[in-house]
Amino acid sequence: NAGVTQNPKFQVLKTGQSMTLQCAQDMNHNSMYWYRQDPGMGLRLIYYSASEGTTDKGEVPNGYNVSRLNKREFSLRLESAAPSQTSVYFCASSGGSEQYFGPGTRLTVT
Amino acid sequence: GENVEQHPSTLSVQEGDSAVIKCTYSDSASNYFPWYKQELGKRPQLIIDIRSNVGEKKDQRIAVTLNKTAKHFSLHITETQPEDSAVYFCAASKGYSTLTFGKGTMLLVSP
Repeated sequence: NAGVTQNPKFQVLKTGQSMTLQCAQDMNHNSMYWYRQDPGMGLRLIYYSASEGTTDKGEVPNGYNVSRLNKREFSLRLESAAPSQTSVYFCASSGGSEQYFGPGTRLTVT
Repeated sequence: GENVEQHPSTLSVQEGDSAVIKCTYSDSASNYFPWYKQELGKRPQLIIDIRSNVGEKKDQRIAVTLNKTAKHFSLHITETQPEDSAVYFCAASKGYSTLTFGKGTMLLVSP
């Protein structure tokens, strides 16, 4: 039982490049989330998916897109990376109230 | 939408002292209040939570109190140990909706 997994763990992009962050969970949870964590800013919700087939914007969705590929997988795409997107990205899943977080992806955009 | 304020941003205590972190929320309909602990370089993990039908909850050395009238809730850690050093986040939500997190408190416990 791996819980929530994320790939890659680290990534460096140049401004304007695109990439997809992968997230998967094996807990049969309906809800999945993408957060970004910046120093002094806490965890801010980018997008979430309350169930397979649905996605909704969170607090800071600009510059991102998501895909709920199936119940297990929820990906986050940066179409044209900007230095302001340098951050640590966490995926989380939930079957009720408690959210379980993945190990995070540290992304640097130069 | 919901707004969660958390204080202090940094808290330094001596081993064995108590630590208190406070949060306020804006939406009176919020009814679920979890606390997450994040060690350096690790993922956030739930340590305790409370629902609005309860005023206090304890789990060994940690406790959470909730004042619905004032819209604030607090985390209390007694007999602090160096391994309690971490960043602590409070959060609030309505039912099973999304969580709104505070900005975090870095707790430093000195031996």
